[in-house]
Amino acid sequence: GAVVSQHPSRVICKSGTSVKIECRSLDFQATTMFWYRQFPKKSLMLMATSNEGSKATYEQGVEKDKFLINHASLTLSTLTVTSAHPEDSSFYICSARDIQGAYNEQFFGPGTRLTVL
Amino acid sequence: AQKITQTQPGMFVQEKEAVTLDCTYDTSDPSYGLFWYKQPSSGEMIFLIYQGSYDQQNATEGRYSLNFQKARKSANLVISASQLGDSAMYFCAMREGYRGNQGGKLIFGQGTELSVKP
Repeated sequence: GAVVSQHPSRVICKSGTSVKIECRSLDFQATTMFWYRQFPKKSLMLMATSNEGSKATYEQGVEKDKFLINHASLTLSTLTVTSAHPEDSSFYICSARDIQGAYNEQFFGPGTRLTVL
Repeated sequence: AQKITQTQPGMFVQEKEAVTLDCTYDTSDPSYGLFWYKQPSSGEMIFLIYQGSYDQQNATEGRYSLNFQKARKSANLVISASQLGDSAMYFCAMREGYRGNQGGKLIFGQGTELSVKP
């Protein structure tokens, strides 16, 4: 299947700093990528849909100025958590949709665990 | 209203036995897709199986099969011959309103934690 990478896998930062998370599709082009947030033992919550060459579409309740998304190319989307606070600590997962895939399915990155001190 | 419902927070199954994980959904879109993902403790989401709303037959992938009952709006995952490595969180997800290259977002259920006992 298609491979999606995420970097970093784990990050610890101080409150007030910004953190950038990268999501790359390694062997396919992804016009659409998705960013999710997951709390322990909970479901994935979609934060935003990232489309290459256009602005991201944020889900209701997600602060677009706090969670900046940039889909710079067909293989790279970035999520920047600005002025991070302890409540932003979470597991962030990206996915990329492979339109050439058998089911047009989303392939997920391994996730980034963010801890804000 | 919850669009995807998984009513079993946790399930136990004996190794080598079969287990069914429940999933019900709600949509008015005639074209939709249903997915099951496995999430082990490492956190990665592993795609297991897909069922399209227009598919006539239930999907199967190795030990995984999907019991698709369209009228009841249910898409239960059946795992046959459970293995210790099947212990993980399992998520049902729905994709609706997909048109062309845009959209296609997934809505996830709450998840079911499956534990396989030796």
